[in-house]
Parts: sequence; structure tokens; C-alpha cells
Amino acid sequence: ELKVEQNPLFLSMQEGKNYTIYCNYSTTSDRLYWYRQDPGKSLESLFVLLSNGAVKQEGRLMASLDTKARLSTLHITAAVHDLSATYFCAVRLSSGNTPLVFGKGTRLSVIA
Amino acid sequence: NAGVTQTPKFQVLKTGQSMTLQCAQDMNHNSMYWYRQDPGMGLRLIYYSASEGTTDKGEVPNGYNVSRLNKREFSLRLESAAPSQTSVYFCASSESTGLPNEKLFFGSGTQLSVL
Repeated sequence: ELKVEQNPLFLSMQEGKNYTIYCNYSTTSDRLYWYRQDPGKSLESLFVLLSNGAVKQEGRLMASLDTKARLSTLHITAAVHDLSATYFCAVRLSSGNTPLVFGKGTRLSVIA
Repeated sequence: NAGVTQTPKFQVLKTGQSMTLQCAQDMNHNSMYWYRQDPGMGLRLIYYSASEGTTDKGEVPNGYNVSRLNKREFSLRLESAAPSQTSVYFCASSESTGLPNEKLFFGSGTQLSVL
């Protein structure tokens, strides 16, 4: 059974600081996804990581994937208030057209 | 573009009542999903439909039934609602071309309270 664990689950950051969210998963996979959810809203796709060593960046967010360690990271650089949201990682088994399994999410709050 | 449309957005039920959550997508996607989101639990898969005419159980299917009415529509039914089914429900769809880079597209959610 595929399990996905994120940490931390809650994160309060000061504006301008850097931090990393971690996503570990239990079964071999090279398909990892990051989503963002604003309060009371739906989920929107941020990144799709498909191979070992994959790195994607958009603005102040950078995601990477280490399939050997079964670990993905979402790094936040010089946080700003607009990044306050809940971030989910999700993993799909490498074989077959299987549904995504989500982590519990990291609720990020960026404060002045 | 409408994308994935869910109705209703809010619903309050009494224990034992039944209801159906509706979901429709206009992106010609093959696969559709129902997730529930509870505080501290992330999103958990209830049922999914990999293609028209097929449905499969997810992680938490008990107390729910689904119908893939056609390629566009995938409904979720609660036959006898229980307080434990108080949650936010999300419908999602994907192309399911088999390509690994395909994403899920989510509806706006249904907030359900069972009293």
C-alpha cells in the first residue's frame, strides 16, 4: 500500500525567510505531484516531477525529486504573504493508470 | 472554460437522509474521481472511474455509491448519511492517456454537514 507523508504539517514563516517542506513516500514511484490549496478553495497543480533528480521552479517555489530516497522537497525562497496556503504532495504508482495518493498537506502561514 | 463542475456547493443533512453529489467535466477526460478532505487527513480517495463504464473503490468507500452516468458525469451518493461523513468532497478528472505527466483537475468542492 502506497503511503505518503509530509512534514511539517503546519509551518509559520516570517516573510523573507527560506524553508523546505518534505514529502516521503513508501513505494517505488517516479511520478510525484505538488498541489496548492488556498483556504476554502479547490486544488491547483503546481509541479509534476517525473524522474530522479527532476527539479522544477516557479517564482519562489522549487520542487525536486529523489526517487532513490523516495523523497521530494518543496523549497520556499524569501517567503511572501501570498504563498500562505496548504501544499499537498501526491504520488502515483509507477505502473498502471492508478489514482493519486495524497499526503496530509502542509499548512503554510507567512507572517510579516 | 467550466472545467469540473460540482453541485451543490453546500449541503446540510440530517442523519439517515440520502443525497447525491453531482459532478460534470467538459474536458473530454476519461477518468473521474471522488475525494473527501477532512482536517489533518489530506485528501482520501472514495471511488474512481478509470473510464466510462467502470468504477473502483478507493481508500474510504464505505457508505458511498457512485455512478458513471456517461463520459462527462460522475455522481456520488450517500444512501444514509452519518455524522462521520461530514466533510468537504472534491470531484476531479484526468485524461488518462497513460502519460505520466498528466494532472488532475479539481472541482470547487462540496461542503457537507451531517447533523
